[in-house]
Amino acid sequence: DTAVSQTPKYLVTQMGNDKSIKCEQNLGHDTMYWYKQDSKKFLKIMFSYNNKELIINETVPNRFSPKSPDKAHLNLHINSLELGDSAVYFCASSQGTGGITEAFFGQGTRLTVV
Amino acid sequence: QKEVEQNSGPLSVPEGAIASLNCTYSDRGSQSFFWYRQYSGKSPELIMSIYSNGDKEDGRFTAQLNKASQYVSLLIRDSQPSDSATYLCAVTFSGTYKYIFGTGTRLKVLA
Repeated sequence: DTAVSQTPKYLVTQMGNDKSIKCEQNLGHDTMYWYKQDSKKFLKIMFSYNNKELIINETVPNRFSPKSPDKAHLNLHINSLELGDSAVYFCASSQGTGGITEAFFGQGTRLTVV
Repeated sequence: QKEVEQNSGPLSVPEGAIASLNCTYSDRGSQSFFWYRQYSGKSPELIMSIYSNGDKEDGRFTAQLNKASQYVSLLIRDSQPSDSATYLCAVTFSGTYKYIFGTGTRLKVLA
């Protein structure tokens, strides 16, 4: 039973399109994250939600909008996709807001914008 | 700017040897430290967490933390070709709510 699951695993789309990535965790965690991993494999935080409330919003373009309908789900919607958005997007979850406990990652969504 | 630094490698070790991976961080307000392993095309997988100074052992893995010197290391004993992967160091800092990752060290274990 997958702990943190993302869909889709692969996403290929044209510039200018709008797309969404979904994430669900069954670990009972109260904090969820979106990370972006670029071609150099650097993992960078984008957003974090705790109990459906946004607590981290890094310098991410407004075209990216996260949404957390409940503490087990965190979705990412991207408007007007650009070539530079191509990357692997990881969802993660942890217990608590202080980053004290371990974070667990989903399998990633490889987004390719053409 | 809080930063976590790792040597990108590749670090090549022969099978059966000890692999030593290092990570330094820039801020003394750090609180939790994690090592993740990431195989190519896969997601980061937690190996170890360490919260206080000293050593923590789990099987072939030992994490070492020295807060005064602001470094954390990971030792892999009896390295196996299956240990070949990128190892990511992650740090959380007091007052923030995020895991800050280093750029990762690529480890190659040669059979």
